[in-house]
Amino acid sequence: NAGVMQNPRHLVRRRGQEARLRCSPMKGHSHVYWYRQLPEEGLKFMVYLQKENIIDESGMPKERFSAEFPKEGPSILRIQQVVRGDSAAYFCASAPGYVGANVLTFGAGSRLTVL
Amino acid sequence: EDKVVQSPLSLVVHEGDTVTLNCSYEVTNFRSLLWYKQEKKAPTFLFMLTSSGIEKKSGRLSSILDKKELFSILNITATQTGDSAVYLCARGNTGTASKLTFGTGTRLQVTL
Repeated sequence: NAGVMQNPRHLVRRRGQEARLRCSPMKGHSHVYWYRQLPEEGLKFMVYLQKENIIDESGMPKERFSAEFPKEGPSILRIQQVVRGDSAAYFCASAPGYVGANVLTFGAGSRLTVL
Repeated sequence: EDKVVQSPLSLVVHEGDTVTLNCSYEVTNFRSLLWYKQEKKAPTFLFMLTSSGIEKKSGRLSSILDKKELFSILNITATQTGDSAVYLCARGNTGTASKLTFGTGTRLQVTL
């Protein structure tokens, strides 16, 4: 069981470029969550997805950020026209698809640095 | 916003000491309280608490929830240098399945 797989682990982008972060959930998990962790801060919820559906995107910035979880393939968090303030660790987590399963399993994170 | 407040923010202890980490939360739509350990990688799950007064234990770590006073504690006895990490507390809601709200964490450093 490979756990939650995220890539890339480290990504460097210049201001104005696009960043794409990928997440493959644990085997058997159908729920994916994205969290952002700024330096010296806690994990902040961004978005919750199931296959082909965004369930809750209340933590996503209104502009430049989008997420998807297609029928086939990994979930992708996309940040367009990155700015320095987007520099952070982005964690993906997955959970089984039954109600009440609050335990999330996290990936190792993708660390985005914007120059 | 469903607030989760952890204290202390950071802590330095000597190996062998016992530490208690605190977490308080707001009651709205509360389902569960979780503790995670974060080193320089993925947060790893420690405990999930849903019932008041029932201690959960794993080796030198234990945790308990008080739903009346809205807090939880994480105890680590006989600390070791490998316990050095950020300990994250999170609450789960009854609404969106598995959506967690995290505190900012307690950074624990265990020295020799």
